[in-house]
Amino acid sequence: RKEVEQDPGPFNVPEGATVAFNCTYSNSASQSFFWYRQDCRKEPKLLMSVYSSGNEDGRFTAQLNRASQYISLLIRDSKLSDSATYLCVVNHNAGNMLTFGGGTRLMVKP
Amino acid sequence: GAVVSQHPSRVICKSGTSVKIECRSLDFQATTMFWYRQFPKQSLMLMATSNEGSKATYEQGVEKDKFLINHASLTLSTLTVTSAHPEDSSFYICSAGVGLAIPGVQYFGPGTRLTVL
Repeated sequence: RKEVEQDPGPFNVPEGATVAFNCTYSNSASQSFFWYRQDCRKEPKLLMSVYSSGNEDGRFTAQLNRASQYISLLIRDSKLSDSATYLCVVNHNAGNMLTFGGGTRLMVKP
Repeated sequence: GAVVSQHPSRVICKSGTSVKIECRSLDFQATTMFWYRQFPKQSLMLMATSNEGSKATYEQGVEKDKFLINHASLTLSTLTVTSAHPEDSSFYICSAGVGLAIPGVQYFGPGTRLTVL
């Protein structure tokens, strides 16, 4: 079983739609959680951290369920520019090592 | 802030040659640098972790004699792919962390696309 699992997609949605991605992680000792965005042939960029209480940044909402070892990302009012691969990322030690999920590809269409 | 550069951005080389990739943290000191490899339509796979002044820690299955990592200062790490072969063609990305100051956060370089003919 992979340490961090995501549905690879692609998710094809129209502009303005709401879309949700899920991610599960296997290491119950995981400490920090993130969503990164990666555009085609580019490096990953941090989208947002994920906190136990849930957090929102504009159109993006992230949730963490430690009991179920599950993380989600909700994107409201999708824009064409949201088209990218979204990577669920977990840190399970006190340092900086990250484990990446396989990514979920989102295509927003006009 | 927190900018990481990589050089070169793209390299094409003949089989059997060695290629050096540089990773620099431009406006901060990185306690740890990471090297990843990404094949098409796959996620990032960690190759090795390096701390300034010490030997790199390689992930299982990564040959340390083939992928030489040098971390000479808090702002520079290099990855040398020795005797490159076509199967080494990939997107190589470095990242830098600032340790406990911001645990779990890494700043990524723009990547180096290596093509071995």
